[in-house]
Amino acid sequence: AQSVTQLDSQVPVFEEAPVELRCNYSSSVSVYLFWYVQYPNQGLQLLLKYLSGSTLVKGINGFEAEFNKSQTSFHLRKPSVHISDTAEYFCAVSQYTGTASKLTFGTGTRLQVTL
Amino acid sequence: GAVVSQHPSWVICKSGTSVKIECRSLDFQATTMFWYRQFPKQSLMLMATSNEGSKATYEQGVEKDKFLINHASLTLSTLTVTSAHPEDSSFYICSAPPRTTLNNEQFFGPGTRLTVL
Repeated sequence: AQSVTQLDSQVPVFEEAPVELRCNYSSSVSVYLFWYVQYPNQGLQLLLKYLSGSTLVKGINGFEAEFNKSQTSFHLRKPSVHISDTAEYFCAVSQYTGTASKLTFGTGTRLQVTL
Repeated sequence: GAVVSQHPSWVICKSGTSVKIECRSLDFQATTMFWYRQFPKQSLMLMATSNEGSKATYEQGVEKDKFLINHASLTLSTLTVTSAHPEDSSFYICSAPPRTTLNNEQFFGPGTRLTVL
């Protein structure tokens, strides 16, 4: 079984400050890792994904994440946040099962950006 | 990128009635679609996996007779909440991985807000 832990339920940060949202996972096999963003009353939008290759993954809106296999982590970072980045962020892990894959989500981190 | 739509975007119904939610992949085919529910300020919980041409697979604790899933075509899956009750009020989201990809990426619909009075 696989699981995802997002240690911070809320992260308050001032505009233009850097931010890191933490994500740790557990799985007995190789996995694919994702970060999604959800704005109020909307579906999920993919920020970035790690499938294989370079452990530093760059996504949309200036976000990036680093896959660390030894620490089973996939933390999301942005060097300078904007007010518009205020949203809920979900880390997810998936495992291919032969026909399709199931995504397991973390509990989410609310990023609150203020002036 | 691939687009997934849901209809309706919100619905209000009386207790005891049934509500159908549609999930469509607009520009790709999907043999599998996933249905999630999300309670306020909580994460997404997988309810079931919808399989085109066969029965859906339900997660533990999800009543298959209450949440009927039909994957009628390669671009359409429907979730019917039967005899809805106020505790069924939630945000329902579907997702679909394009059948041509093996990298597990899924595309999400915008969600359907169900309120049962």
